Amino acid sequence: QVTLKESGPGILQPSQTLSLTCTFSGFSLSTYGMGVGWIRQPSGKGLEWLANIWWDDDKYYNPSLKNRLTISKDTSNNQAFLKITNVDTADTATYYCARIEGGSPPDYWGQGVMVTVSS
Amino acid sequence: DIVMTQTPSSQAVSAGEKVTMSCKSSQSLLYNENKKNYLAWYQQKPGQSPKLLIYWASTRESGVPDRFIGSGSGTDFTLTISSVQAEDLAVYYCQQYYNFPLTFGSGTKLEIK
Repeated sequence: QVTLKESGPGILQPSQTLSLTCTFSGFSLSTYGMGVGWIRQPSGKGLEWLANIWWDDDKYYNPSLKNRLTISKDTSNNQAFLKITNVDTADTATYYCARIEGGSPPDYWGQGVMVTVSS
Repeated sequence: DIVMTQTPSSQAVSAGEKVTMSCKSSQSLLYNENKKNYLAWYQQKPGQSPKLLIYWASTRESGVPDRFIGSGSGTDFTLTISSVQAEDLAVYYCQQYYNFPLTFGSGTKLEIK
């Protein structure tokens, strides 16, 4: 059974760094072709793909946010991480992680973690 | 980036009715080497995360009721719900996975009269 769960700070102030953790089970990021992606959704709005990391540590960043994003993984502990630097109110959203296999759409999603940026 | 355009933005139907919603991509999602369309549909119910319904434009994910039907090819795609049920109240998103960044349509909100 594949599950993913996001965790984060809940609330942070503008200019701070947002650190998110995705803890998953039922698959391994050491398996060929496997990946984890991060997606966000402002309240009442659509979905934005942020970044993903593959089993071989290859990474992809959305060019619209590339300079602010860092994705990483801890394969032995079944976790993936996303950092977003210099946050502002526009980064207020629910953040999801999802499993992705090469050439396929994200199939399993976490429940999401709400992040609010406010002074 | 590939732009995904969904219409309508919202639709209200009665239970038992048929509903169709459209998704258009700014470039073809048909990969000639395998003849597959890299297009997925997701259902997001209120307060929940998106759930994968359909991939390869027309293949239902395991456990998805057969009233959900995906069709189309190239740049034009359709999601049909043959007989809407009350539990289908949700926002439906199309997504291309032809290349990165993966991009989503803005969604079609399905309301039940």
